[in-house]
Amino acid sequence: EDQVTQSPEALRLQEGESSSLNCSYTVSGLRGLFWYRQDPGKGPEFLFTLYSAGEEKEKERLKATLTKKESFLHITAPKPEDSATYLCAVSQTGANNLFFGTGTRLTVIP
Amino acid sequence: NAGVTQTPKFQVLKTGQSMTLQCAQDMNHNSMYWYRQDPGMGLRLIYYSASEGTTDKGEVPNGYNVSRLNKREFSLRLESAAPSQTSVYFCASSEAGTGAGNTIYFGEGSWLTVV
Repeated sequence: EDQVTQSPEALRLQEGESSSLNCSYTVSGLRGLFWYRQDPGKGPEFLFTLYSAGEEKEKERLKATLTKKESFLHITAPKPEDSATYLCAVSQTGANNLFFGTGTRLTVIP
Repeated sequence: NAGVTQTPKFQVLKTGQSMTLQCAQDMNHNSMYWYRQDPGMGLRLIYYSASEGTTDKGEVPNGYNVSRLNKREFSLRLESAAPSQTSVYFCASSEAGTGAGNTIYFGEGSWLTVV
């Protein structure tokens, strides 16, 4: 069964304390892996798309990496404004849907 | 630069009432989607439209109907609302289908409560 699992469910970090969020997937025919950020009361905001194992993308304090089984979202020296829920999703070749994980709720404490 | 716009933002319905959620995108995208988001569950696809005049069921289509009015607009209708349809609804769009690796962009959401 195709699945997307994110861990941990929740993460509390001190400002400046780097860490990583995990997204493991078991889907056939992976076409892309997507990371979104979602603030309370808002829609998901697109961050990155990764297409093949070994690919990496960066944006400010965030860096996303992809292997054949999982993706990591590395957060370097986070700030309170990085607090949000981070969602991972995958698309399959030929399927017109994104399969989402349940997210990691990140809280960065000043 | 509006992106994907949904209305209404909040709605309370009584069981059995009907309503339509409206969605419009200004990015000239071909594909549009309706998702629902419930606590403890990932976003789940209700319906998908690859282009004007075409719609397909997603994972959880029961109790919903959709209309792709034109390239910009995609509406979601609840004919007889049930408490199980209490959720946050997101409209989204992409240039083409996600099967080709295209990115989906989301609206701000519509909070629906059925009492």
